[in-house]
Amino acid sequence: QSVLTQPPSVSGAPGQRVTISCTGSSSSIGAGYDIHWYQQLPGTAPKLLISGNNNRPSGVPDRFSGSKSGTSASLAITGLQAEDEADYYCQSYDSSLSSWVFGGGTKLTVL
Amino acid sequence: EVQLLESGGDLVQPGGSLRLSCAASGFTFSDYAMSWVRQAPGKGLEWVSTICGSCGNTYYADSVKGRFTISRDNSKNTLYLQMNSLRAEDTAVYYCAKQEGWELHNYFFDYWGQGTLVTVSS
Repeated sequence: QSVLTQPPSVSGAPGQRVTISCTGSSSSIGAGYDIHWYQQLPGTAPKLLISGNNNRPSGVPDRFSGSKSGTSASLAITGLQAEDEADYYCQSYDSSLSSWVFGGGTKLTVL
Repeated sequence: EVQLLESGGDLVQPGGSLRLSCAASGFTFSDYAMSWVRQAPGKGLEWVSTICGSCGNTYYADSVKGRFTISRDNSKNTLYLQMNSLRAEDTAVYYCAKQEGWELHNYFFDYWGQGTLVTVSS
């Protein structure tokens, strides 16, 4: 059971918009800690997608955006493309565990 | 260009030991905290351990505390993970990751290595 809860899977057709939720608690997201998102393509290492709730590193398309409110956060992907098919993970810090924590991951399928 | 290259993964028996290494290049190694993150087969990501750039502070997940030791040699730009008393549940791909951020608790992992597989089995 992950400290941050994500849906196991989401799907969408090319060109559509999808969102992936990440729900924490008062000791993680609700405590004000930043949320970060990673993309893991099949058979590869994770790659930073969004840092500090909604900051895209150089090279990440602006189709990807993040938001945070209360004890939850979301990753939105617009103009869905086949190459977006991957696993997505949220990450934050949990003060009750004194550790950096990840969500369980969400598999995005592009129909 | 930032590069992180892990090595040392192997098949080891339960109760055994292993040391992983991560050779870093492309950035001032001593300026950044570094971490190990693992991923069991078919599972999600799990933070394992972090060491600060040059302050000596180390941090561990409860699942490895007392068994794993993180260290670094800034003169060699290399990160290490000494793993003792290995268990079947430690079987995973171990990633070396560079950390970035404006404050410790808001650190994120901005660069990752390709990973090295550790298998604990008799």
